[in-house]
Amino acid sequence: RKEVEQDPGPFNVPEGATVAFNCTYSNSASQSFFWYRQDCRKEPKLLMSVYSSGNEDGRFTAQLNRASQYISLLIRDSKLSDSATYLCVVNGMRFGAGTRLTVKP
Amino acid sequence: EAQVTQNPRYLITVTGKKLTVTCSQNMNHEYMSWYRQDPGLGLRQIYYSMNVEVTDKGDVPEGYKVSRKEKRNFPLILESPSPNQTSLYFCASGSNWDRDLRQGVYEQYFGPGTRLTVT
Repeated sequence: RKEVEQDPGPFNVPEGATVAFNCTYSNSASQSFFWYRQDCRKEPKLLMSVYSSGNEDGRFTAQLNRASQYISLLIRDSKLSDSATYLCVVNGMRFGAGTRLTVKP
Repeated sequence: EAQVTQNPRYLITVTGKKLTVTCSQNMNHEYMSWYRQDPGLGLRQIYYSMNVEVTDKGDVPEGYKVSRKEKRNFPLILESPSPNQTSLYFCASGSNWDRDLRQGVYEQYFGPGTRLTVT
């Protein structure tokens, strides 16, 4: 089993839709969790940290479920500009392979 | 401006010709790392450094060397490049453990990437 696993997608959604991604991790002792966004062939950039209590930033909500060892990212009211690959990161250094999202008009 | 810089951005070279990709950060980060990204495989860590003069192997260190003689610089060295090292390379630096959050926090900032082709 990979240390960090994500559904590669692609997720194709219309503008305005709500979409959710999950990311599972294998190390139960993991302490820190993040979501990064990566546009095509560009560097990844931090989208948000994932705290035990959850984290919300505008249309984006991140949740942590320690019991089931997964983190989630919810995007509400999708915009065309949300089209990108979303990477989950565990313990700062362990990256998932990414989930590709395409938002269509 | 806080940033991570990499050079060169693009490089085409031949098998066996030694090369160095430089990485520099101006954020006084202790942690620095190198990744390679290949289609379908995501970001794989090559080497990382928790501090000056401290380096550790990541998931795919074979064929690469690094050094950390100064805090700001973390060059990646390919002594004898081979075609299977053709990839997109990213350098990153990170903030230290944030005790206030009571979690290990290594938010990373990435350089713009170096696209390497070895023929």
